[in-house]
Amino acid sequence: RKEVEQDPGPFNVPEGATVAFNCTYSNSASQSFFWYRQDCRKEPKLLMSVYSSGNEDGRFTAQLNRASQYISLLIRDSKLSDSATYLCVVNPTSGTYKYIFGTGTRLKVLA
Amino acid sequence: SAVISQKPSRDICQRGTSLTIQCQVDSQVTMMFWYRQQPGQSLTLIATANQGSEATYESGFVIDKFPISRPNLTFSTLTVSNMSPEDSSIYLCSVVGDGHSYEQYFGPGTRLTVT
Repeated sequence: RKEVEQDPGPFNVPEGATVAFNCTYSNSASQSFFWYRQDCRKEPKLLMSVYSSGNEDGRFTAQLNRASQYISLLIRDSKLSDSATYLCVVNPTSGTYKYIFGTGTRLKVLA
Repeated sequence: SAVISQKPSRDICQRGTSLTIQCQVDSQVTMMFWYRQQPGQSLTLIATANQGSEATYESGFVIDKFPISRPNLTFSTLTVSNMSPEDSSIYLCSVVGDGHSYEQYFGPGTRLTVT
């Protein structure tokens, strides 16, 4: 089993749709979780950290389910500019900065 | 978040040669990281570079192949030595954000093609 697994997609959704991505992780001791966005031929950019209580930033909501070892990202009212690859990132070891990246979920928002 | 620059942004190199990639940060940071992103793949951590100590390499990466320097708190270099076509990748440096959030921020990357 991979340490971090994501559905690679692509997810093709119309503008205005709501879309959700899940990501599972194998190490139950993992402490920190993040969603990054990566545009084609660009570096990953931090979208949001994922907290145990869940967190929301505008149209984006991230949630963590420790019991089932997955995190999710919900995007509401999709925009064309949301088209990108979304990377799930897990820091499996407390006190370190070692990131484990998922392979990414590709989203394409269609006009 | 810190502003990170990398040089070169891209290069095409012949097999057997070496390339040194520079990473410059606009503020002092304790920890810097080097990642590789092979075509169609996600990012893999190569090593952690702390100022004043040897870099710490991840499994599958060795100092002879990827020597790293960290002369001060704003700069690091990664050398890809004795290159082969399998080294064709994007190489990215990253730094940890302020505070204790464990958030990392990435440089724009260096796109390396080895022929």
